[in-house]
Amino acid sequence: NAGVTQTPKFQVLKTGQSMTLQCAQDMNHEYMSWYRQDPGMGLRLIHYSVGAGITDQGEVPNGYNVSRSTTEDFPLRLLSAAPSQTSVYFCASRTNPGRNTEAFFGQGTRLTVV
Amino acid sequence: KQEVTQIPAALSVPEGENLVLNCSFTDSAIYNLQWFRQDPGKGLTSLLLIQSSQREQTSGRLNASLDKSSGRSTLYIAASQPGDSATYLCAVFIGGRGSTLGRLYFGRGTQLTVWP
Repeated sequence: NAGVTQTPKFQVLKTGQSMTLQCAQDMNHEYMSWYRQDPGMGLRLIHYSVGAGITDQGEVPNGYNVSRSTTEDFPLRLLSAAPSQTSVYFCASRTNPGRNTEAFFGQGTRLTVV
Repeated sequence: KQEVTQIPAALSVPEGENLVLNCSFTDSAIYNLQWFRQDPGKGLTSLLLIQSSQREQTSGRLNASLDKSSGRSTLYIAASQPGDSATYLCAVFIGGRGSTLGRLYFGRGTQLTVWP
């Protein structure tokens, strides 16, 4: 009954460091995505994937990379962290990006870049 | 471009009141609408999903309605409790394409406080 699992829950990085935010889902969902949540701006789509081996950019992709080697996992990489990337990151999945599907979210990763 | 607005931004009520949270969206061509709850420092918990062909959905003390033609949804909470205190987000799903494929368009939320 795990759903969407994100790790870590909290992270502090120094400017210029790299890290990977992990996301895994056990519902065999084709579609996975990453959002960032910032005060006063709501949630914005960073990257998404419609299946293993297929990824594409969302609305705010700069500074982030993704890959999708398996159906279950969709990690988000920050290659060189910047203070502007301080945010709460949510991973989400749904069966496919078509109609009548429900989105499921992880518990989030709170990232602070100093 | 789809824009989602939630009113009010904050609401404080005494325990036991029935209350209504409002969500409006600019493009009525949606597939579905979801209401989420977010507790401070926590993730998003899906409360209700309304398909574009439906008028309402109910779960316990929660009832969500959808009027697609007018671009409005309401979340009705009956007999509110202190445990209902959280931020409530509504999000519409249009399918999309390209950089918006599969994207949910979120409102900024209504922060609800229910005091004993």
